[in-house]
Amino acid sequence: QSALTQPASVSGSPGQSITISCTGTSSDVGGYNYVSWYQQHPGKAPKLMIYDVINRPSGVSNRFSGSKSGNTASLTISGLQAEDEADYYCYSYTSSTTLVVFGTGTKVTVL
Amino acid sequence: QVQLVQSGPEVKKPGASVKVSCKASGYTFTSYGFSWVRQAPGQGLQWMGWISSYNNNTKYAEKFQGRVTMTTDTSTSTAYMELRSLRSDDTAVYYCGRGKWYIDNWGQGTLVTVSS
Repeated sequence: QSALTQPASVSGSPGQSITISCTGTSSDVGGYNYVSWYQQHPGKAPKLMIYDVINRPSGVSNRFSGSKSGNTASLTISGLQAEDEADYYCYSYTSSTTLVVFGTGTKVTVL
Repeated sequence: QVQLVQSGPEVKKPGASVKVSCKASGYTFTSYGFSWVRQAPGQGLQWMGWISSYNNNTKYAEKFQGRVTMTTDTSTSTAYMELRSLRSDDTAVYYCGRGKWYIDNWGQGTLVTVSS
């Protein structure tokens, strides 16, 4: 099972909005609403930001939102802040033998 | 609050085994399973497998089949991940996490270094 495809890097200025894509297939992202997103700062454990495509856990800023169209899921960060600079990973159920799969990861830089 | 506390760093020689523990608190242990994820230096996240805390059902990633064993101990609310026949490319931070379809709480990570 190959990893889901994410852009290697995305950047934006403070206050702007950015979107990170996560492209899979109809066997994973496109076929099920089990996509989640994680933020990871250097040297830290990942943190859940979005689950089941669109849901935000308690305590996560409403500047983070998730969506899906076809085989591509997206994470949008609005009102970009310096603290949003981190790596972001998507994660999805897959009907292949693997069960779940991570994305390749995206480094977000705040200019 | 939910806490997952992992065991400390390990240094192992090639061919050895390592067993990482993950002690849970703040919730009913058998209500959630555990996922194990690793991250090699400078690399992305890699899913290793999942275990049910309720009935010990497991699902391992094909890459680790035959080399990994995940277990839980309900008496101590602890999950374990054992990886055998270690190689240098198993050097990584190993994370436990609560959940399967999404991981809502993570341990702090355990660095396993494999070196002769």
